[in-house]
Amino acid sequence: RKEVEQDPGPFNVPEGATVAFNCTYSNSASQSFFWYRQDCRKEPKLLMSVYSSGNEDGRFTAQLNRASQYISLLIRDSKLSDSATYLCVVPSGGYNKLIFGAGTRLAVHP
Amino acid sequence: NAGVTQTPKFRVLKTGQSMTLLCAQDMNHEYMYWYRQDPGMGLRLIHYSVGEGTTAKGEVPDGYNVSRLKKQNFLLGLESAAPSQTSVYFCASTIPGLSNEQFFGPGTRLTVL
Repeated sequence: RKEVEQDPGPFNVPEGATVAFNCTYSNSASQSFFWYRQDCRKEPKLLMSVYSSGNEDGRFTAQLNRASQYISLLIRDSKLSDSATYLCVVPSGGYNKLIFGAGTRLAVHP
Repeated sequence: NAGVTQTPKFRVLKTGQSMTLLCAQDMNHEYMYWYRQDPGMGLRLIHYSVGEGTTAKGEVPDGYNVSRLKKQNFLLGLESAAPSQTSVYFCASTIPGLSNEQFFGPGTRLTVL
């Protein structure tokens, strides 16, 4: 089993839709989790951190289910500018090392 | 404040050639990392450094060497390039602490023919 698994998508949604991505992780000892956003042919950038059961930032909500070892990212009222790949990320050992999922691609259309 | 920069942005090599990718950061970060990103796969850690003069192997270190002679620079070397090393290479940096946020450079697209 991969350490971090994501549905690759693509998710094609109209503007204004609500969309949710799931991510499963294998290390039950992980305490914190992250969602990074990566635009086409660009570098990843931190979108949200999740340290407890969840986190909300505007239209974005991240939730954590430790018992089932999955993390979700919910995007409400999708905008064209939300089109990107969303990477689920889990810490790996010390020195701030990270394990990245392969990403879920989102395409928002008019 | 440029953040993290990478040189070059693009490069095409022939099998067996060597090259060095340069990563520079001006944020005084202690930790630096080199990743590769291939289609359908997550970023994979090649090597990392936790301070000037230190380096350590990541998940996929074979075929690469690194050096961190200055705190702000982290070099990734390919001694004898192979087609399997065709990839996008990202450098990242961060400071030790609770947050695991890493700051990435814009990437280097490398093709090995």
